Amino acid sequence: DTEVTQTPKHLVMGMTNKKSLKCEQHMGHRAMYWYKQKAKKPPELMFVYSYEKLSINESVPSRFSPECPNSSLLNLHLHALQPEDSALYLCASSQEQPPYEQYFGPGTRLTVT
Amino acid sequence: DAKTTQPNSMESNEEEPVHLPCNHSTISGTDYIHWYRQLPSQGPEYVIHGLTSNVNNRMASLAIAEDRKSSTLILHRATLRDAAVYYCILSVIRTNAGKSTFGDGTTLTVKP
Repeated sequence: DTEVTQTPKHLVMGMTNKKSLKCEQHMGHRAMYWYKQKAKKPPELMFVYSYEKLSINESVPSRFSPECPNSSLLNLHLHALQPEDSALYLCASSQEQPPYEQYFGPGTRLTVT
Repeated sequence: DAKTTQPNSMESNEEEPVHLPCNHSTISGTDYIHWYRQLPSQGPEYVIHGLTSNVNNRMASLAIAEDRKSSTLILHRATLRDAAVYYCILSVIRTNAGKSTFGDGTTLTVKP
């Protein structure tokens, strides 16, 4: 099974709401990633978790809060977002050794109103 | 981190080979070269990777220059389903994970 699942597929939230994005994989990967992708732009790395610990934070604003409760799950908690945060949020996973071939989920399309 | 440079767009005719170039002149010795593609409304899909030697898989071939400063993704017979944005990225070793920086990619159009 090489599938990464993400829920929800679409999310519309107001600037005062709190919501969470969920990502799940059952490939035994110990590295998991969050990316943000704006329309017609490449994905931008946000966070990397390795062995359930935050390994990389690409200077992401604190209104985005990642969480890795176990080796199969990755969450992204959202609070007080801005309209410019509207984007496709992609989750990926890989083995923790090179070459780090990443498997991506289909993404969550987020709209902040 | 090392960056890659790709042409913005390329066109191909169906059932003809396609060669997608990528420059990565600042690559480090331990960086892996990865190619992903992204179809509309989907997440990126892994295509192929390599380190030093040329690689083949069921989807494509990867030709890596001897100095590793450039590579070429080869689709042997393009189909309409190969129309996508193709990203060449370098996977940099970090603590138990890879850090990948996506460039702007090449939009491949396949004409019937």
